[in-house]
Amino acid sequence: DAKTTQPPSMDCAEGRAANLPCNHSTISGNEYVYWYRQIHSQGPQYIIHGLKNNETNEMASLIITEDRKSSTLILPHATLRDTAVYYCIVRVAGGSQGNLIFGKGTKLSVKP
Amino acid sequence: ETGVTQSPTHLIKTRGQQVTLRCSSQSGHNTVSWYQQALGQGPQFIFQYYREEENGRGNFPPRFSGLQFPNYSSELNVNALELDDSALYLCASSPGTVLTDTQYFGPGTRLTVL
Repeated sequence: DAKTTQPPSMDCAEGRAANLPCNHSTISGNEYVYWYRQIHSQGPQYIIHGLKNNETNEMASLIITEDRKSSTLILPHATLRDTAVYYCIVRVAGGSQGNLIFGKGTKLSVKP
Repeated sequence: ETGVTQSPTHLIKTRGQQVTLRCSSQSGHNTVSWYQQALGQGPQFIFQYYREEENGRGNFPPRFSGLQFPNYSSELNVNALELDDSALYLCASSPGTVLTDTQYFGPGTRLTVL
């Protein structure tokens, strides 16, 4: 079973920031938080991951709380092309324990 | 574009038949993982191959089998197809190192079993 909890759906206005929450209260010290998204019928797309510190790349920012029990993915200026299912996953990096366990994710709808 | 390719894009088979799906890894990646995604569900882990050896398996029966070749491309074979095997099959490649083993997915193969 997935070790994360996400809201099933969210709406966001185009051009505004999209903040997607994720709870992972049972995360272990050696587990990373990964975010992927999946646009309809395509393969999941890697977005970002982090262990303890906040992370930023060209796609998004990842904010992890100090106790690591929750995190937020931020898309700073959402566009219609960001409409997708967003998956938050916790996993150990590497080895056979490193397979991704997907939950149901959050369906983000970006509206004009 | 992740550099991970899969073939074929779509496939239709009948119950009881066998199918082979193919995946080419991103350059420099020696690990391939396969996932099954039923309609409306998140992907489910089937198995992973690292340097041509199976390196972990999910809760799938033995009729799901795989191979990885010396160039790190991979095949997923499914025997005795059942209707419930209809799904999107995804492969993901990763570098295989502990710290930088992010998995990058291909576009998937849509299998329909009639």
